[in-house]
Amino acid sequence: KQEVTQIPAALSVPEGENLVLNCSFTDSAIYNLQWFRQDPGKGLTSLLLIQSSQREQTSGRLNASLDKSSGRSTLYIAASQPGDSATYLCAALEGSGSRLTFGEGTQLTVNP
Amino acid sequence: GAGVSQSPSNKVTEKGKDVELRCDPISGHTALYWYRQSLGQGLEFLIYFQGNSAPDKSGLPSDRFSAERTGGSVSTLTIQRTQQEDSAVYLCASSRDRPSPTDTQYFGPGTRLTVL
Repeated sequence: KQEVTQIPAALSVPEGENLVLNCSFTDSAIYNLQWFRQDPGKGLTSLLLIQSSQREQTSGRLNASLDKSSGRSTLYIAASQPGDSATYLCAALEGSGSRLTFGEGTQLTVNP
Repeated sequence: GAGVSQSPSNKVTEKGKDVELRCDPISGHTALYWYRQSLGQGLEFLIYFQGNSAPDKSGLPSDRFSAERTGGSVSTLTIQRTQQEDSAVYLCASSRDRPSPTDTQYFGPGTRLTVL
Protein backbone atom coordinates (compact mmCIF):
# COMPACT_ATOMS: atom_id res chain seq x y z
CA LYS A 1 0.00 0.00 0.00
CA GLN A 2 1.35 3.39 -1.03
CA GLU A 3 2.20 5.78 1.80
CA VAL A 4 3.04 9.45 1.24
CA THR A 5 4.76 11.58 3.87
CA GLN A 6 5.35 15.32 3.85
CA ILE A 7 7.89 17.26 5.86
CA PRO A 8 7.61 19.73 7.49
CA ALA A 9 4.00 19.73 8.67
CA ALA A 10 4.10 23.51 9.03
CA LEU A 11 6.47 26.23 7.92
CA SER A 12 6.53 29.97 8.61
CA VAL A 13 8.90 32.20 6.65
CA PRO A 14 9.37 35.92 5.97
CA GLU A 15 8.42 37.25 2.58
CA GLY A 16 11.09 36.88 -0.08
CA GLU A 17 12.63 33.66 1.18
CA ASN A 18 13.22 30.66 -1.04
CA LEU A 19 11.87 27.46 0.48
CA VAL A 20 11.66 23.72 -0.08
CA LEU A 21 8.82 21.37 0.76
CA ASN A 22 9.55 17.65 0.93
CA CYS A 23 7.49 14.63 -0.03
CA SER A 24 8.39 10.95 0.15
CA PHE A 25 6.51 7.89 -1.09
CA THR A 26 7.00 4.19 -0.44
CA ASP A 27 5.99 2.58 -3.75
CA SER A 28 7.90 3.75 -6.82
CA ALA A 29 5.38 2.20 -9.24
CA ILE A 30 3.61 5.49 -9.87
CA TYR A 31 2.09 7.11 -12.96
CA ASN A 32 2.90 10.59 -11.74
CA LEU A 33 3.53 12.77 -8.71
CA GLN A 34 1.41 15.88 -8.29
CA TRP A 35 1.58 18.95 -6.10
CA PHE A 36 -1.64 20.70 -5.10
CA ARG A 37 -2.45 23.84 -3.19
CA GLN A 38 -5.40 24.01 -0.78
CA ASP A 39 -6.75 27.29 0.55
CA PRO A 40 -9.08 27.29 3.60
CA GLY A 41 -12.65 26.38 2.68
CA LYS A 42 -11.72 25.66 -0.91
CA GLY A 43 -10.89 22.65 -3.00
CA LEU A 44 -7.51 21.65 -4.33
CA THR A 45 -5.74 23.44 -7.17
CA SER A 46 -3.20 21.51 -9.21
CA LEU A 47 0.20 23.23 -9.28
CA LEU A 48 2.57 20.82 -10.98
CA LEU A 49 2.42 17.29 -12.36
CA ILE A 50 5.57 15.25 -12.91
CA GLN A 51 5.20 12.11 -14.99
CA SER A 52 7.07 9.05 -13.76
CA SER A 53 9.51 9.36 -16.68
CA GLN A 54 10.32 12.99 -15.89
CA ARG A 55 12.72 14.52 -13.39
CA GLU A 56 11.21 17.97 -12.86
CA GLN A 57 8.58 20.49 -13.85
CA THR A 58 8.56 24.26 -13.56
CA SER A 59 5.80 26.84 -13.45
CA GLY A 60 6.71 30.43 -12.68
CA ARG A 61 8.31 30.58 -9.24
CA LEU A 62 7.57 26.90 -8.59
CA ASN A 63 9.83 23.99 -9.42
CA ALA A 64 9.11 20.38 -8.53
CA SER A 65 11.56 17.51 -8.82
CA LEU A 66 11.02 13.76 -8.76
CA ASP A 67 13.48 11.00 -7.85
CA LYS A 68 11.57 7.74 -8.24
CA SER A 69 14.47 5.54 -7.17
CA SER A 70 14.66 7.19 -3.77
CA GLY A 71 10.91 7.82 -3.49
CA ARG A 72 11.22 11.56 -3.09
CA SER A 73 9.86 14.76 -4.53
CA THR A 74 10.55 18.35 -3.60
CA LEU A 75 8.65 21.55 -4.30
CA TYR A 76 10.83 24.63 -4.49
CA ILE A 77 9.18 28.05 -4.13
CA ALA A 78 11.33 31.01 -5.08
CA ALA A 79 10.92 34.51 -3.64
CA SER A 80 7.92 33.58 -1.50
CA GLN A 81 4.99 36.00 -1.19
CA PRO A 82 2.17 36.31 1.39
CA GLY A 83 -0.22 35.07 -1.30
CA ASP A 84 1.66 31.76 -1.28
CA SER A 85 0.27 31.05 2.19
CA ALA A 86 -1.76 27.83 1.93
CA THR A 87 -1.51 24.10 2.54
CA TYR A 88 0.57 22.25 -0.04
CA LEU A 89 -0.24 18.62 -0.73
CA CYS A 90 1.69 16.09 -2.72
CA ALA A 91 -0.03 13.07 -4.18
CA ALA A 92 1.11 9.96 -6.02
CA LEU A 93 -1.04 8.43 -8.74
CA GLU A 94 -0.63 4.69 -8.40
CA GLY A 95 0.51 2.64 -11.36
CA SER A 96 -2.82 0.84 -11.71
CA GLY A 97 -4.22 4.30 -12.07
CA SER A 98 -7.45 4.63 -10.14
CA ARG A 99 -6.48 6.73 -7.16
CA LEU A 100 -4.30 9.48 -5.79
CA THR A 101 -2.61 8.83 -2.45
CA PHE A 102 -2.04 12.08 -0.59
CA GLY A 103 0.38 13.23 2.06
CA GLU A 104 -0.96 15.13 5.03
CA GLY A 105 0.31 18.42 3.68
CA THR A 106 2.61 21.26 4.65
CA GLN A 107 0.90 24.37 6.00
CA LEU A 108 2.89 27.34 4.72
CA THR A 109 2.66 30.87 6.14
CA VAL A 110 4.56 33.66 4.43
CA ASN A 111 4.75 36.73 6.63
CA PRO A 112 4.86 40.22 5.08
CA GLY B 1 -15.73 26.87 -18.18
CA ALA B 2 -17.47 25.76 -15.00
CA GLY B 3 -15.49 23.68 -12.56
CA VAL B 4 -16.55 20.83 -10.33
CA SER B 5 -19.42 21.86 -8.07
CA GLN B 6 -20.61 20.23 -4.86
CA SER B 7 -23.68 20.69 -2.71
CA PRO B 8 -24.39 21.43 0.01
CA SER B 9 -21.25 23.29 1.05
CA ASN B 10 -22.00 22.55 4.69
CA LYS B 11 -24.19 19.88 6.28
CA VAL B 12 -24.92 19.41 9.96
CA THR B 13 -26.80 16.29 10.93
CA GLU B 14 -27.63 14.22 13.97
CA LYS B 15 -26.04 10.89 14.65
CA GLY B 16 -28.03 8.10 13.04
CA LYS B 17 -29.51 10.18 10.22
CA ASP B 18 -28.80 9.55 6.53
CA VAL B 19 -27.15 12.21 4.35
CA GLU B 20 -26.69 12.70 0.61
CA LEU B 21 -23.86 14.70 -0.89
CA ARG B 22 -23.95 15.78 -4.51
CA CYS B 23 -21.20 16.32 -7.08
CA ASP B 24 -21.47 17.86 -10.55
CA PRO B 25 -18.29 17.11 -12.51
CA ILE B 26 -16.83 19.17 -15.31
CA SER B 27 -18.86 18.63 -18.47
CA GLY B 28 -17.39 15.90 -20.65
CA HIS B 29 -15.22 14.39 -17.91
CA THR B 30 -15.72 10.64 -17.82
CA ALA B 31 -13.88 9.93 -14.58
CA LEU B 32 -15.24 10.95 -11.15
CA TYR B 33 -13.69 10.44 -7.72
CA TRP B 34 -14.76 10.93 -4.10
CA TYR B 35 -12.23 11.60 -1.34
CA ARG B 36 -12.60 12.32 2.36
CA GLN B 37 -10.45 14.72 4.38
CA SER B 38 -10.72 14.23 8.13
CA LEU B 39 -9.26 16.60 10.71
CA GLY B 40 -5.59 15.84 11.22
CA GLN B 41 -5.53 13.29 8.41
CA GLY B 42 -4.73 13.43 4.75
CA LEU B 43 -7.19 12.97 1.95
CA GLU B 44 -8.28 9.38 1.57
CA PHE B 45 -9.74 7.85 -1.56
CA LEU B 46 -13.31 6.57 -1.31
CA ILE B 47 -14.63 5.58 -4.76
CA TYR B 48 -13.90 6.01 -8.48
CA PHE B 49 -16.30 5.96 -11.45
CA GLN B 50 -15.10 5.59 -15.04
CA GLY B 51 -17.68 5.80 -17.79
CA ASN B 52 -20.04 2.85 -17.70
CA SER B 53 -17.57 0.54 -15.97
CA ALA B 54 -18.21 -0.90 -12.53
CA PRO B 55 -16.95 1.59 -9.93
CA ASP B 56 -13.86 0.99 -7.80
CA LYS B 57 -15.39 0.97 -4.32
CA SER B 58 -12.31 -0.27 -2.53
CA GLY B 59 -11.89 2.91 -0.47
CA LEU B 60 -15.35 2.99 1.10
CA PRO B 61 -14.83 2.61 4.87
CA SER B 62 -18.01 0.67 5.64
CA ASP B 63 -21.24 -0.59 4.08
CA ARG B 64 -22.96 2.53 5.39
CA PHE B 65 -21.28 4.40 2.52
CA SER B 66 -22.53 4.12 -1.04
CA ALA B 67 -22.35 6.20 -4.19
CA GLU B 68 -23.96 6.28 -7.58
CA ARG B 69 -23.43 8.17 -10.77
CA THR B 70 -26.47 8.76 -12.94
CA GLY B 71 -26.17 9.19 -16.69
CA GLY B 72 -22.41 9.31 -16.49
CA SER B 73 -22.54 12.79 -14.96
CA VAL B 74 -23.87 13.79 -11.53
CA SER B 75 -22.83 11.64 -8.56
CA THR B 76 -24.38 11.24 -5.13
CA LEU B 77 -22.51 9.95 -2.08
CA THR B 78 -24.87 8.57 0.55
CA ILE B 79 -23.95 7.90 4.15
CA GLN B 80 -26.50 5.92 6.13
CA ARG B 81 -26.85 5.99 9.92
CA THR B 82 -24.17 8.65 10.26
CA GLN B 83 -21.63 8.41 13.08
CA GLN B 84 -19.52 11.17 14.62
CA GLU B 85 -16.40 9.74 13.00
CA ASP B 86 -17.99 10.47 9.61
CA SER B 87 -17.44 14.18 10.26
CA ALA B 88 -15.06 15.38 7.56
CA VAL B 89 -14.81 17.34 4.34
CA TYR B 90 -15.92 15.25 1.38
CA LEU B 91 -14.22 16.24 -1.87
CA CYS B 92 -15.25 15.28 -5.36
CA ALA B 93 -12.92 15.40 -8.37
CA SER B 94 -13.21 14.68 -12.07
CA SER B 95 -10.81 14.09 -14.95
CA ARG B 96 -11.16 13.88 -18.71
CA ASP B 97 -10.61 10.16 -18.99
CA ARG B 98 -9.29 7.21 -17.04
CA PRO B 99 -6.17 8.11 -15.00
CA SER B 100 -3.07 8.64 -17.11
CA PRO B 101 0.47 9.88 -16.50
CA THR B 102 -0.36 13.27 -18.03
CA ASP B 103 -3.80 14.08 -16.70
CA THR B 104 -4.73 15.67 -13.40
CA GLN B 105 -7.89 15.62 -11.36
CA TYR B 106 -9.96 18.78 -10.87
CA PHE B 107 -11.41 19.16 -7.42
CA GLY B 108 -14.62 20.73 -6.19
CA PRO B 109 -14.78 22.96 -3.08
CA GLY B 110 -15.99 20.11 -0.87
CA THR B 111 -18.90 19.48 1.49
CA ARG B 112 -18.13 19.91 5.17
CA LEU B 113 -20.15 17.28 7.09
CA THR B 114 -20.62 17.61 10.84
CA VAL B 115 -22.33 14.81 12.73
CA LEU B 116 -23.52 15.84 16.19
